[in-house]
Amino acid sequence: AQKVTQAQTEISVVEKEDVTLDCVYETRDTTYYLFWYKQPPSGELVFLIRRNSFDEQNEISGRYSWNFQKSTSSFNFTITASQVVDSAVYFCALSLSGGSYIPTFGRGTSLIVHP
Amino acid sequence: NAGVTQTPKFRILKIGQSMTLQCTQDMNHNYMYWYRQDPGMGLKLIYYSVGAGITDKGEVPNGYNVSRSTTEDFPLRLELAAPSQTSVYFCASSYSVDTQYFGPGTRLTVL
Repeated sequence: AQKVTQAQTEISVVEKEDVTLDCVYETRDTTYYLFWYKQPPSGELVFLIRRNSFDEQNEISGRYSWNFQKSTSSFNFTITASQVVDSAVYFCALSLSGGSYIPTFGRGTSLIVHP
Repeated sequence: NAGVTQTPKFRILKIGQSMTLQCTQDMNHNYMYWYRQDPGMGLKLIYYSVGAGITDKGEVPNGYNVSRSTTEDFPLRLELAAPSQTSVYFCASSYSVDTQYFGPGTRLTVL
């Protein structure tokens, strides 16, 4: 069975600091997908990124970047120059390519950015 | 495209009452899911469906029922509501293993 661990329950930073949210996953499958979702205080869940297991290229989108390392089974998310609007709960998730596609979510990391 | 819509947004039930949470998607996705999110917790899968007429249990199905008569709709039925079912309920849909698109959620309180 697969598992996603987000060991950081809550992170508190001051605006403009860089912050990294950790995600460690476990699966025996060789083909899988990893996701990050954001849940702002308003409550909706917003998709941020998807990565498949064959693509270890790091991704950058504005102030957001993702570091996927199969060797350590990690898919970490970094926010550069954090802003108050980044305050949210961030979820990492894993889906296998075969079977019923039921994703496994981590428990989430609550990020609080203080002005 | 409206994406995934859920109704109602809020609901208060008395213990023992029943209700149906509605979920509709207009993206022609085969896969649909129901999750619950308790305060400060992650998402727990209640039921899912891989297509019209096919449903299966997730991690926490007790006290709930679902049906999937069309591709678009995936209602969640609560029978004999209990305080333990107080939660925020999210419906989601996806095209196979692709990104899940979530509805805005239904906040349910059982008193």
